[in-house]
Amino acid sequence: DVKVTQSSRYLVKRTGEKVFLECVQDMDHENMFWYRQDPGLGLRLIYFSYDVKMKEKGDIPEGYSVSREKKERFSLILESASTNQTSMYLCASSPGSNYGYTFGSGTRLTVV
Amino acid sequence: AQSVTQLDSQVPVFEEAPVELRCNYSSSVSVYLFWYVQYPNQGLQLLLKYLSGSTLVKGINGFEAEFNKSQTSFHLRKPSVHISDTAEYFCAVTPNRDDKIIFGKGTRLHILP
Repeated sequence: DVKVTQSSRYLVKRTGEKVFLECVQDMDHENMFWYRQDPGLGLRLIYFSYDVKMKEKGDIPEGYSVSREKKERFSLILESASTNQTSMYLCASSPGSNYGYTFGSGTRLTVV
Repeated sequence: AQSVTQLDSQVPVFEEAPVELRCNYSSSVSVYLFWYVQYPNQGLQLLLKYLSGSTLVKGINGFEAEFNKSQTSFHLRKPSVHISDTAEYFCAVTPNRDDKIIFGKGTRLHILP
């Protein structure tokens, strides 16, 4: 069964910490995405990548960066965590638009 | 630019009753359409998708959706819901040659006993 694995289900970090959220897919997909999900706001695209070492800003990239050194791994980095980054973070991958996305189980991040 | 509107943020329905979750989209080009389901504390799971061809699409768990090009709608239906269908449902659209999917804000389905 194809899988997208996010390294942590729950994470609590302090304001100002550097936070790494890891996402690994085992499907050899070209495309990978990071979303955050907040009540009433739905899913908002943070960053995406169509290839190794390639990244594109989504709709809300401020305060975030990403890294894609290998095809299967797409990391989201919060350079200096703030309380307004408390959210559910979802990673997804896709081989192409007609296939839709496969999502990970999500990481619920709390910044205190 | 494409956009997706889910007309109801919450839908309560009695167990074993039928349900329709409404979705409208706007786009100047041909699109692919999707419905996803998110159970509590989980990621999103693909329910069904429309790419082309027959406008009635069947998905998992007894759900189906109908693509209506003239009304730019892609409503999700199930003839008889079960308590296990309690979840949030997301409609999504992508232009045919674009790999970014645009999601609606979601509809919470509450099943009443």
